[in-house]
Amino acid sequence: GAGVSQSPRYKVAKRGQDVALRCDPISGHVSLFWYQQALGQGPEFLTYFQNEAQLDKSGLPSDRFFAERPEGSVSTLKIQRTQQEDSAVYLCASSFLKTGGTSGTEAFFGQGTRLTVV
Amino acid sequence: RKEVEQDPGPFNVPEGATVAFNCTYSNSASQSFFWYRQDCRKEPKLLMSVYSSGNEDGRFTAQLNRASQYISLLIRDSKLSDSATYLCVVSPGGGRRALTFGSGTRLQVQP
Repeated sequence: GAGVSQSPRYKVAKRGQDVALRCDPISGHVSLFWYQQALGQGPEFLTYFQNEAQLDKSGLPSDRFFAERPEGSVSTLKIQRTQQEDSAVYLCASSFLKTGGTSGTEAFFGQGTRLTVV
Repeated sequence: RKEVEQDPGPFNVPEGATVAFNCTYSNSASQSFFWYRQDCRKEPKLLMSVYSSGNEDGRFTAQLNRASQYISLLIRDSKLSDSATYLCVVSPGGGRRALTFGSGTRLQVQP
């Protein structure tokens, strides 16, 4: 497909379990972002990749969260020892921007992975 | 204080009404500004970029006031299909590439 694809769409994890969320960005998009969206809130930034380089991970809430994009395409967000407060929708977005300013950049979002920790 | 602040609403308006949302941002170095729309249980989608000179797209008009650090969105002749959450989005600049989102303003257009 032509859009950003995320899998799984839904994930139920027992507290303490590790989870891995996958994002397939639009082909050729250099920038990839992960966001966390809690119910009734806007998306909160987690981390940003430019190609395979993780340029900003300031939004990751704890060291239980880890993201990678080893070949500059598919990205995985891993959450270790999940807690109930990790329950949220995890959104992945990609954009074509490579360098320079961000003026006019459009980020395309995937449908998200809804994580529920029980 | 959040970097981007919006009135959460909900704004309940009748069809055909004009409605306006405002948003304020705290980082004066912010470079780019957008409105995204998010339908219930869907992903955010770009509605329009916001330019310093203001811009219009059909029934939608966006304005930017850099001096006061606020952005507005005006919707004229509201349709039922406009019901959604409208997210104010700012690109912080200063080397930071990620988009910063407000919490969103919920609009409900009623028949």
